[in-house]
Amino acid sequence: DAGVIQSPRHEVTEMGQEVTLRCKPISGHNSLFWYRQTMMRGLELLIYFNNNVPIDDSGMPEDRFSAKMPNASFSTLKIQPSEPRDSAVYFCASSLTSGRAGNEQFFGPGTRLTVL
Amino acid sequence: QQQVKQSPQSLIVQKGGISIINCAYENTAFDYFPWYQQFPGKGPALLIAIRPDVSEKKEGRFTISFNKSAKQFSLHIMDSQPGDSATYFCALIGDGNKLVFGAGTILRVKS
Repeated sequence: DAGVIQSPRHEVTEMGQEVTLRCKPISGHNSLFWYRQTMMRGLELLIYFNNNVPIDDSGMPEDRFSAKMPNASFSTLKIQPSEPRDSAVYFCASSLTSGRAGNEQFFGPGTRLTVL
Repeated sequence: QQQVKQSPQSLIVQKGGISIINCAYENTAFDYFPWYQQFPGKGPALLIAIRPDVSEKKEGRFTISFNKSAKQFSLHIMDSQPGDSATYFCALIGDGNKLVFGAGTILRVKS
C-alpha cells in the first residue's frame, strides 16, 4: 500500500489567494483527519470524517477553512482567502475505525504551506 | 484547552543512555495513550501505545509506564541510539478517534 498520499508537498502562495490541499487515504480506511502543525501551536486536529461524513469540525479555525470528502478515496482542505498566519504543515491521516478508541492513525507526508 | 502537558521540551542524551519523556493529563475520559515519533520532513508515526488497564508496556527498547492515579504516563527509550533522534509526541484519545497531542519533545542522541 502506498500509504496516505498528500498533494502538493509544498505550496507557496500570496495572501488572499485560494489554496486547496488534497488527500488520498489508505484504501479501506473509513476515518480521515486533517491536522495542522506549527511551532507555536503544535499538532492540532482541524476536522475529521467518518464514512465520508464530517463528524467534528470544531478545530477549524474560521470560516475561511473548509473541508470536503466527496468519496472514500479523496478529501480536500480549502483555505479561501489565505493569510500569512495560515502558514504551517498540514497533515492528513486515516484510520480504520472499529468502534473502540485507539485505532492507529496513519499520517501522510504533509503539505508545507507558505502564505506570503 | 491544553489537555496533556509534555516535558521536557527538548532532550539531549548520550548514545547508550536512557531517554525519558513525561506526560500528564487532566481529563479521566481517555482510554488510549499512544506515543508518536516524527522525523524531520515526515508525518508522525505510531511508536507504541498503552491502554489504562495495564501499568507498563514494552516493545524492544521502548517502554511506556502508566500511572492512572497520578494521571501520568512516560516513554522510556533504553540504549538510545542516534537513529532515535526525532520529535516525540504523547497523545490521548477518548470517544471516537480524536487524538489530542502533547507539545512534543525534541530528542537528540549524541554519538
